[in-house]
Amino acid sequence: QKEVEQNSGPLSVPEGAIASLNCTYSDRGSQSFFWYRQYSGKSPELIMSIYSNGDKEDGRFTAQLNKASQYVSLLIRDSQPSDSATYLCAVQGHTGGFKTIFGAGTRLFVKA
Amino acid sequence: DAGVIQSPRHEVTEMGQEVTLRCKPISGHDYLFWYRQTMMRGLELLIYFNNNVPIDDSGMPEDRFSAKMPNASFSTLKIQPSEPRDSAVYFCASSPPRKSGTSDGYTFGSGTRLTVV
Repeated sequence: QKEVEQNSGPLSVPEGAIASLNCTYSDRGSQSFFWYRQYSGKSPELIMSIYSNGDKEDGRFTAQLNKASQYVSLLIRDSQPSDSATYLCAVQGHTGGFKTIFGAGTRLFVKA
Repeated sequence: DAGVIQSPRHEVTEMGQEVTLRCKPISGHDYLFWYRQTMMRGLELLIYFNNNVPIDDSGMPEDRFSAKMPNASFSTLKIQPSEPRDSAVYFCASSPPRKSGTSDGYTFGSGTRLTVV
């Protein structure tokens, strides 16, 4: 079992729709959870962090965390073509000295 | 703030040659990470430092890889000898001091695209 699992996609949504990206993780002791966006040929960019169960909203982005289910999600409202990128879920475990493990990423396409 | 600075941006080398990648973290960040990204394996953590001390190098593929951090503003990742399977994008990232066991996430450099022929 991979430590951090994501559907590789591609996920295709029309402009203006809600894009829903999901991630599961295996380390129950994980404490910090992140979503990074990576455009093709560029480096990952941190867009959201979440530490407690529930929802965290930042503009058009909402991160959701359910530690009991070991599940993290990212919702992108009013999706724009500029949101087309690969979204990486990252989990920082309590074990292993706080190193962060990245999922393989979900490719999102927003159709104009 | 100039962000995390990596050099070179691109490196093409012949098999067997030594390759040195360089990284300057953000000032005040006390964690530095080296990652490798390939299509097949995604982002893999190679090694990370805290206050210039290597904490976990379990991701370093083999003895051909070595990393150093002689001071808070500079780190190197060296591959000697290089092999075609080392071709990848190598990212350096830094992170500020942790608060209460959580992290603020990383800032990545632009990466070095390494091609070994």
